[in-house]
Amino acid sequence: KAGVTQTPRYLIKTRGQQVTLSCSPISGHRSVSWYQQTPGQGLQFLFEYFSETQRNKGNFPGRFSGRQFSNSRSEMNVSTLELGDSALYLCASYDPGRQETQYFGPGTRLLVL
Amino acid sequence: GEDVEQSLFLSVREGDSSVINCTYTDSSSTYLYWYKQEPGAGLQLLTYIFSNMDMKQDQRLTVLLNKKDKHLSLRIADTQTGDSAIYFCAESHGAGKSTFGDGTTLTVKP
Repeated sequence: KAGVTQTPRYLIKTRGQQVTLSCSPISGHRSVSWYQQTPGQGLQFLFEYFSETQRNKGNFPGRFSGRQFSNSRSEMNVSTLELGDSALYLCASYDPGRQETQYFGPGTRLLVL
Repeated sequence: GEDVEQSLFLSVREGDSSVINCTYTDSSSTYLYWYKQEPGAGLQLLTYIFSNMDMKQDQRLTVLLNKKDKHLSLRIADTQTGDSAIYFCAESHGAGKSTFGDGTTLTVKP
């Protein structure tokens, strides 16, 4: 099976812009989670989607949003970018019907200037 | 609360065993994980242990779980230079959410 894929891999934006990141889960995995990784805060949970519904949400401002499509692909959007949003954004998928083991994609590295 | 703690650095000689330790707080976690991250890459799932197990062995990897003390360890036997990376301990909270430690940077010297 192909692994989790994320696009784009690298992105440079300026403050105030918005960005959309995409994640395609492993085939058959209906849950997609998003995490932000920064040197200062480590890995932090953003949100999780299952069957097109957000089931869980971390402590991030409303500028961070996401959605999931019927084919389980997910997108996350960050509006009004701030310098502090520069990070590696990781997506993970798992199959809730089997076991709760998340598999991660390679990440999207976002740099906000 | 949800908190996972690990030591930040570990240095070993090639061929030695490495032991990375972790403590967690959520006693209701059903799964505990070890992930490996190499420079510029995502997280690679190394192994996991279900909360009703005390030990799990997978080739060179041995995971020990002490639920009473909420302590998890990862032992890598015959450590190689290719094992140099950052290792993350994580606990599962269900519904796709895991809490991660800050990672242990393992350096393997030839």
